[in-house]
Amino acid sequence: NAGVTQTPKFQVLKTGQSMTLQCAQDMNHEYMSWYRQDPGMGLRLIHYSVGAGITDQGEVPNGYNVSRSTTEDFPLRLLSAAPSQTSVYFCASSYDDSDLEQYFGPGTRLTVT
Amino acid sequence: GQQLNQSPQSMFIQEGEDVSMNCTSSSIFNTWLWYKQDPGEGPVLLIALYKAGELTSNGRLTAQFGITRKDSFLNISASIPSDVGIYFCAGTIYNFNKFYFGSGTKLNVKP
Repeated sequence: NAGVTQTPKFQVLKTGQSMTLQCAQDMNHEYMSWYRQDPGMGLRLIHYSVGAGITDQGEVPNGYNVSRSTTEDFPLRLLSAAPSQTSVYFCASSYDDSDLEQYFGPGTRLTVT
Repeated sequence: GQQLNQSPQSMFIQEGEDVSMNCTSSSIFNTWLWYKQDPGEGPVLLIALYKAGELTSNGRLTAQFGITRKDSFLNISASIPSDVGIYFCAGTIYNFNKFYFGSGTKLNVKP
């Protein structure tokens, strides 16, 4: 099992560019989520999904889109990157939404200039 | 969003010392969790707490779910160098879909 994988590991974007952060898990987990981590702050939930075809907003969803067409993949899209989106992004998954043990990916460090 | 106040922000201790950190919330939580994050990696779950007053241990780690359901504590006994990292509290309020995280306690252990 590879667990939760994220690509890319690092990315630099110019303001206004778009990109997709990839997240995949091979544990057949139903629940997947995206967080951002900023210096001096805890992780903040962006979007989450309780299964294929179902997504919902977290605490800080503005500027981000998600979709969940398969159980394995949960990409995060930035349609028009802004400097305020400079952060480290973590994807996580758990068996289902009653399972508290989330497995986190290694993170993607994004810089928007 | 929900405010989780975690303290202290950072700690510098000697190997072998005990460590205490805590987390408080303005809202009642129905679960409390404690994570550890090593540099360059994602957080890893250490302990999960499910009911008020619960005291749970995981090796040298002990965590408690406060009676008011608005706080939680993590203790590490006899610290070792590999305890270095950032410790986060987290919790859920209504369901297990949305997790809220504290800002972290950075632990440094001197050999």
